[in-house]
Amino acid sequence: NAGVTQTPKFRVLKTGQSMTLLCAQDMNHEYMYWYRQDPGMGLRLIHYSVGEGTTAKGEVPDGYNVSRLKKQNFLLGLESAAPSQTSVYFCASSYLDRGYEQYFGPGTRLTVT
Amino acid sequence: GIQVEQSPPDLILQEGANSTLRCNFSDSVNNLQWFHQNPWGQLINLFYIPSGTKQNGRLSATTVATERYSLLYISSSQTTDSGVYFCAVEITHRGSTLGRLYFGRGTQLTVWP
Repeated sequence: NAGVTQTPKFRVLKTGQSMTLLCAQDMNHEYMYWYRQDPGMGLRLIHYSVGEGTTAKGEVPDGYNVSRLKKQNFLLGLESAAPSQTSVYFCASSYLDRGYEQYFGPGTRLTVT
Repeated sequence: GIQVEQSPPDLILQEGANSTLRCNFSDSVNNLQWFHQNPWGQLINLFYIPSGTKQNGRLSATTVATERYSLLYISSSQTTDSGVYFCAVEITHRGSTLGRLYFGRGTQLTVWP
C-alpha cells in the first residue's frame, strides 16, 4: 500500500513550456485534491475532484487544468508555465468530503525560469 | 473569507521542554487536522480532530469547536520535532461541507539539543 504518490519529484521548466503532474492513490478514495505551497505560507487548494470524471475549482485555479479519467489518478496540467507557478505542489486524497481525513503525497518541487 | 490563524509563528525550544501551539478558525468545521511538515518537506498527519481530545505518545490535541480553536501540545520535545506545524480546517457552509481544507500559515518549531 503505497498511499499517495506523485510524479515527478522535481522539475525545472522554462516560461511558456507545458507539463503534467501525476498523482496516484491506491486507497480507493473518492476525493482527490491538488494544493500548492509557497514560501512562508500554508497550502492553497488549486482544484479538486469528487469522483471519476468530475473536477472543481479551488482557491487558486487560474493557469491550471486537471483531469480525473480514472478513480486512482488525478492529473494537474500547466499549459503555459509562468514564473509565478514556481512552487511545491501537493496532491491529497480522502474517502468522502464529510469530515474525512486527507492524506498527502510527498510533493513535487517545480521551478519555472 | 475563512480565517485560520496559528500562533505563535515561530517557536524555539530546548530539548525536553513542553509547548502549546494554537489554531483559531472563523467558521464551523467538519474536519480539523494537524500536520507536521518535516525539514524534507513531507507532510505528516498528526491528528484528525474536529472536536474533543486525542493523544499519541508525546503529542496531544484538543479542539473546542464551539469556541473555534484547537491546541496542539508537544511534551518533552526532541530535535526530531523540528519543522512546521500546520492546522487545516474543512468548513461547514449552509449545513454541508465544501470538501476543502483551509490551511493556516503554520508554526515554525526549532528544537535545540
